[in-house]
Amino acid sequence: QVQLQESGPGLVKPSETLSLTCTVSGDSISNYYWSWIRQPPGKGLEWIGYIYYTGSTNYNPSLKSRVTISVDTSKNQFSLKVSSVTAADTAVYYCARVSRDYDSSGYYYYYFDYWGQGTLVTVSS
Amino acid sequence: SSELTQDPAVSVALGQTVRITCQGDSLRNYYANWYQQKPGQAPVLVIYAIHNRPSGIPDRFSGSSSGNTASLTISGAQAEDEADYFCNSWDSSGDHLVFGGGTKLTVL
Repeated sequence: QVQLQESGPGLVKPSETLSLTCTVSGDSISNYYWSWIRQPPGKGLEWIGYIYYTGSTNYNPSLKSRVTISVDTSKNQFSLKVSSVTAADTAVYYCARVSRDYDSSGYYYYYFDYWGQGTLVTVSS
Repeated sequence: SSELTQDPAVSVALGQTVRITCQGDSLRNYYANWYQQKPGQAPVLVIYAIHNRPSGIPDRFSGSSSGNTASLTISGAQAEDEADYFCNSWDSSGDHLVFGGGTKLTVL
């Protein structure tokens, strides 16, 4: 059974960098895409970005200038950094596995099939 | 605002059928997925690639798509189905993933 666990500080000061790590167990991090998603209190889900185990990334354009996602295959972990945070970055941050499959026409499709429990990060001085 | 639009709230009587919709131009070209989220919990995948159910998801959950609208149908809604439901797919450029704003389902 695949399990994901987020870890990192729950409180970050404005203008500083938010750093989180997701540890994957029950499966190798190789051969999959891995994603970060966040949810401000009482609001909807926002996709932050994903990384392939090779290191290739794709980011939400609205966050791209401040976000870095990296992967450490030796530790079966991937990480998120968000720089210059403000109160608007306060959210529950989830890590998730992105599965990719294809249909009979050879068309690829993606979905988030395993999620971590989420970790609340508050931006406050 | 999201490129995928969902009704903020929907209600259904216990045991009845409810349809939750997700609209967006990208859905004409890309598959939709659906997630269920209960309070204080992480989202759970309930439908992927329009109509596929992961193992362990009850068969009362089904999905469909037509034109720019994807739908999640719950046939015979149960009290435990009360939750927020989010759709997800690609944006109109096909380059980035997006979520709908979510629909809060109340089972009466």
